Amino acid sequence: DGGITQSPKYLFRKEGQNVTLSCEQNLNHDAMYWYRQDPGQGLRLIYYSQIVNDFQKGDIAEGYSVSREKKESFPLTVTSAQKNPTAFYLCASNGGVWQPQHFGDGTRLSIL
Amino acid sequence: SQQGEEDPQALSIQEGENATMNCSYKTSINNLQWYRQNSGRGLVHLILIRSNEREKHSGRLRVTLDTSKKSSSLLITASRAADTASYFCATDPTGNQFYFGTGTSLTVIP
Repeated sequence: DGGITQSPKYLFRKEGQNVTLSCEQNLNHDAMYWYRQDPGQGLRLIYYSQIVNDFQKGDIAEGYSVSREKKESFPLTVTSAQKNPTAFYLCASNGGVWQPQHFGDGTRLSIL
Repeated sequence: SQQGEEDPQALSIQEGENATMNCSYKTSINNLQWYRQNSGRGLVHLILIRSNEREKHSGRLRVTLDTSKKSSSLLITASRAADTASYFCATDPTGNQFYFGTGTSLTVIP
């Protein structure tokens, strides 16, 4: 079955630590996205990538970094510069302009 | 920035009743999409309506779009307990960047 796999499902970060969230897709989609969702809120765009080796900042990129070395993979690193990282992180992809997005099941990040 | 705003924020109905939620957006669009999110899960695409369409149906879902008012509505008919979820509208004005609303939390009471 084609889809998006996010791991881990739950992640805990210590103060001053960087953590990396994994996102893998087998849909052969060029575009991939990372969103942050806070309780009772909508989705806010962190980063997106339209093609391998290229990515753009979204509305809330500060304190985050990404890479896109392979079409299938778009990992997100939450750095120690992100002072309020507790949230639900969603990865998505879509297969072309004006097409719907496909989502993974998210990673919930908490602070220890 | 979030482009869409859903109304109401929360809705509670009895099983079998219809549920209507509304979405307003700010700029011109190519299409508008509705998604569902079950608690603790990712979003699932429900329906896409293009800017030149006024109404679209998919099973028990009916979506309308009024581009002059920059608004859309999602109607779920004959609701079921399994419809309990949050519903989001999303717009994609540039073709490569999506903006989601704040969502409507729907509770269907058996």
